[in-house]
Amino acid sequence: QKEVEQNSGPLSVPEGAIASLNCTYSDRGSQSFFWYRQYSGKSPELIMSIYSNGDKEDGRFTAQLNKASQYVSLLIRDSQPSDSATYLCAVSLRGYQKVTFGIGTKLQVIP
Amino acid sequence: DAGITQSPRHKVTETGTPVTLRCHQTENHRYMYWYRQDPGHGLRLIHYSYGVKDTDKGEVSDGYSVSRSKTEDFLLTLESATSSQTSVYFCAISGLGGNNEQFFGPGTRLTVL
Repeated sequence: QKEVEQNSGPLSVPEGAIASLNCTYSDRGSQSFFWYRQYSGKSPELIMSIYSNGDKEDGRFTAQLNKASQYVSLLIRDSQPSDSATYLCAVSLRGYQKVTFGIGTKLQVIP
Repeated sequence: DAGITQSPRHKVTETGTPVTLRCHQTENHRYMYWYRQDPGHGLRLIHYSYGVKDTDKGEVSDGYSVSRSKTEDFLLTLESATSSQTSVYFCAISGLGGNNEQFFGPGTRLTVL
């Protein structure tokens, strides 16, 4: 079982819709959770960090964490074509500086 | 902009030659990392450093070595490059947010023929 699992996609949504990206993780000691956005040919860019159960909102982005079910999700409201990218989920254990990444979900926003 | 540069940005080399990639940061952060990214595998940690001359292996360290003689520079060396090391290599730093948030350099695309 991979430590961090994501559906590789592609996930296609129409412009203006809500895109929902999901991630599960295997280690219950995980403490920190991150979402990165990566455009084709570019480096990953941190867009959200979440550390406690519940929702965290930043503009059109909402990260949701459920430690009991071991999943973390990212919602993108009012999706735009510029949101088309690969979204990487990443997880870190308590007390460790290493981060484990999922393979990423490719999102396509159709105009 | 996290102040991370990588050099070279692109390199083509032949099997069996040594290759050194450089990561340079201007943020004075303690932790630095080298990853490779391949289709179907995502980002995988090669080596990381938690201080000058303090390094440790990641999950795909075979065939790679690293050195960190100054806080700002972290070097990745392929002692004898193989075609399986053709990849995109990313350097990252952490410490900016204090919660393991990592910030990435622009990447180096390495092709081993």
